[in-house]
Amino acid sequence: EAAVTQSPRNKVAVTGGKVTLSCNQTNNHNNMYWYRQDTGHGLRLIHYSYGAGSTEKGDIPDGYKASRPSQENFSLILELATPSQTSVYFCASGEGLGAETLYFGSGTRLTVL
Amino acid sequence: GDSVTQTEGLVTLTEGLPVMLNCTYQTIYSNPFLFWYVQHLNESPRLLLKSFTDNKRTEHQGFHATLHKSSSSFHLQKSSAQLSDSALYYCALSDLGTGSKLSFGKGAKLTVSP
Repeated sequence: EAAVTQSPRNKVAVTGGKVTLSCNQTNNHNNMYWYRQDTGHGLRLIHYSYGAGSTEKGDIPDGYKASRPSQENFSLILELATPSQTSVYFCASGEGLGAETLYFGSGTRLTVL
Repeated sequence: GDSVTQTEGLVTLTEGLPVMLNCTYQTIYSNPFLFWYVQHLNESPRLLLKSFTDNKRTEHQGFHATLHKSSSSFHLQKSSAQLSDSALYYCALSDLGTGSKLSFGKGAKLTVSP
């Protein structure tokens, strides 16, 4: 069974709308991450968290918010979606050690029209 | 900040030929951890191998890489490519200075043909 689960798998949104991407992990990992994947850019870090109640800005946080209400759940929020946010979004969890392995969810394909 | 450079965006090989994907990095910290992640079509990235020991070869699933701090490199190699090796490969870096936060390269798409 998947230890990192993302929902929804696919999402179509309208420009200016609010979008929430959800991630749940059963690994009991402290760290969680949101990445977006785009051809030619690879995986870019949006937000991350070291535990419940904490969120940190990654390398490309503009236009995104994050929420970590519990150890298991980490959400990515697009308050005003734009077409440039059309992408594949991956959530990942990690043990929190210096050379931690990341465990990725299956991804969410978001299209903003 | 930290950065990872993967020079090849697209690599096409014939089955049986050797694989080499380049990875160099920049960091201001002295204890880098280097990783290779692999992502097959319609799947999510997963760890292939990792290292933080200078000049020590790390192997997994037929692939190997050696961290060379003197040249800031962590190239991925395999002696003989298989069709199932076709995938997207990411080199990534973290270090004690940034804690666990990974910096990924842009990825290299490997296609192995018969």
